[in-house]
Amino acid sequence: SQQGEEDPQALSIQEGENATMNCSYKTSINNLQWYRQNSGRGLVHLILIRSNEREKHSGRLRVTLDTSKKSSSLLITASRAADTASYFCATVGMIYNQGGKLIFGQGTELSVKP
Amino acid sequence: DVKVTQSSRYLVKRTGEKVFLECVQDMDHENMFWYRQDPGLGLRLIYFSYDVKMKEKGDIPEGYSVSREKKERFSLILESASTNQTSMYLCASSLSPRQTKAFFGQGTRLTVV
Repeated sequence: SQQGEEDPQALSIQEGENATMNCSYKTSINNLQWYRQNSGRGLVHLILIRSNEREKHSGRLRVTLDTSKKSSSLLITASRAADTASYFCATVGMIYNQGGKLIFGQGTELSVKP
Repeated sequence: DVKVTQSSRYLVKRTGEKVFLECVQDMDHENMFWYRQDPGLGLRLIYFSYDVKMKEKGDIPEGYSVSREKKERFSLILESASTNQTSMYLCASSLSPRQTKAFFGQGTRLTVV
């Protein structure tokens, strides 16, 4: 079963607005990652947040993690048309013998209109 | 930067054929993964490998097998292709268990007719 559930499934905003995507997961994690996928292509890693971190920034990206609620959010500030893509959260579990098993959510399709 | 290369971008195979999807990474990564991606279902893990000749089932291993004889190469095998295996297949690798980001190949769009 998939670990992450993402919300919303689709998001449409105007250029310059902020976009917020949420991810919930079921079991304890070692870290949570966000990825971006342009249409029909492979995924590109955006940011990783560890279970002992609460917030992380990278450029216009801000990720928060609430382990008590088993949830994370990705905020893209001042969005651009080029941010149009699908965004996925992925978790790595605590169980050592699963190595770096990386489990993805269903993704959020973001459309940024010029 | 790390390069993950999948052998084919598009593939068309017949029902019942044995299909091999190849993936090669060039950065000595420990972990390698095979996912399939279908609309509305996100990425689902088929198999992953954390070392040479070591593999673990993901969420949807039925109808698939894998091979990792060398560290840089991870093959996905469809033993007898069926139409419900028509999908986008994505390979990924990551440096070490649990700690690091994954790098993805460009994907193979497989159509089984």
